[in-house]
Amino acid sequence: QKEVEQDPGPLSVPEGAIVSLNCTYSNSAFQYFMWYRQYSRKGPELLMYTYSSGNKEDGRFTAQVDKSSKYISLFIRDSQPSDSATYLCAMSSGNTGKLIFGQGTTLQVKP
Amino acid sequence: GAGVSQSPRYKVAKRGQDVALRCDPISGHVSLFWYQQALGQGPEFLTYFQNEAQLDKSGLPSDRFFAERPEGSVSTLKIQRTQQEDSAVYLCASSSTSGNADTQYFGPGTRLTVL
Repeated sequence: QKEVEQDPGPLSVPEGAIVSLNCTYSNSAFQYFMWYRQYSRKGPELLMYTYSSGNKEDGRFTAQVDKSSKYISLFIRDSQPSDSATYLCAMSSGNTGKLIFGQGTTLQVKP
Repeated sequence: GAGVSQSPRYKVAKRGQDVALRCDPISGHVSLFWYQQALGQGPEFLTYFQNEAQLDKSGLPSDRFFAERPEGSVSTLKIQRTQQEDSAVYLCASSSTSGNADTQYFGPGTRLTVL
C-alpha cells in the first residue's frame, strides 16, 4: 500500500462547477501538506501549502486537512477550462525536505 | 525572475548508454531535489542536496544512478547503463533555505526515453 493514495480520475466537470479533489495517507508523521498543479509536459506548480490541520483559502481554491482522519482535500470553486490539469497532493514530515506525492488526479473542465 | 531550468528537455538513449541530466536551480537556493515521474504517476523522490552536500540519496533506485552538485549550484543526475525501466520524466526542484518544510519550485523536467 502506498503512503499516499489519490484517485487518478479522470474527472470531467462543466465550467463553473465546484471540484473536490482528495487524498488519504497512512503516515501520521506528515505535518506539511501541499497541492501542486501540473500541466501537460510541465513541472508541478505549487497551489496551496498547509501546515497541520485546518483550512486555507486562496481565491477560488480551498485546502482542508483533517489529520485525525488522515485525509486532505482541495476544492476549486467556479472551475474554468484553464483549470484542466493534473492535481498532485504532496506531504512531508518536515524531518527532511522529501515530498511524498499522490498519483495525481486528472481534471478536465469543459466549456 | 528565472525559475528552475533543466536540460536537455528530451533525451532518447539506447539501452546500455550513459546519460547526464542537468539542473540549474533558482539562483541562491540552498536545497536541491531530484524526483522521478513515471507515466501516469506522481513524482518519486530520488535524492536531496543542501549546498554541495548530498544529505539523502535513499530514493536512488540502483547504483547506476549518481547525482552531484560540486559547487552547490548546478546539479547533474547521471544514469549509467540505462535500462528501459529508467524511462521517465526526471524533475529537479529547489528551495531557498535548508528548512525542511520550505516551498520547492520545480523545473520543467527532462523526459528520458530508453529504447
